[in-house]
Amino acid sequence: NAGVTQTPKFRVLKTGQSMTLLCAQDMNHEYMYWYRQDPGMGLRLIHYSVGEGTTAKGEVPDGYNVSRLKKQNFLLGLESAAPSQTSVYFCASSTLGGQFGYTFGSGTRLTVV
Amino acid sequence: RKEVEQDPGPFNVPEGATVAFNCTYSNSASQSFFWYRQDCRKEPKLLMSVYSSGNEDGRFTAQLNRASQYISLLIRDSKLSDSATYLCVVRGTGRRALTFGSGTRLQVQP
Repeated sequence: NAGVTQTPKFRVLKTGQSMTLLCAQDMNHEYMYWYRQDPGMGLRLIHYSVGEGTTAKGEVPDGYNVSRLKKQNFLLGLESAAPSQTSVYFCASSTLGGQFGYTFGSGTRLTVV
Repeated sequence: RKEVEQDPGPFNVPEGATVAFNCTYSNSASQSFFWYRQDCRKEPKLLMSVYSSGNEDGRFTAQLNRASQYISLLIRDSKLSDSATYLCVVRGTGRRALTFGSGTRLQVQP
């Protein structure tokens, strides 16, 4: 049972490049989330989805887009990467909006130079 | 003011010590509370949920004080393997996502 899988695990981008981070879960969870984690800031919610075909903004959505075309996948896109987007990105999934906690993926370390 | 606040530490304790972390939250309507553990360069993992009556899981005890809006985690008989960052996590009423504190770092020394 894979749980939540994130790809890629590491990436270095140049300023202005675009990329997509993929999150896949095999637990049939309705809710999926993207967070970023920066030193001293904790995890901050970027976007989330409460079901296939729906997405919503979190605390820090600017510069990111998301799509949830299939229930098991949640994609995070950076259209024009900036150095401020250097961070560790975590995807998570849950039932019932996290009422019983989340399952996290192992993270993507992104560096924008 | 942050929605969930924690002392960043680090807390440096010897093996076998008892250590306690506190966390405060600002949303009085918060409904669900958790402690997560995060090892260096790893994803957060659920350590335990926190219930109003308090709950225990082996060496770990969690308490919730709704009146004062704080949550605590007590670790007894600390092990080297307990060294990690402990994240306080809250879910507010009607919220569809969890809010994470910045974490408290624990270093258990031999």
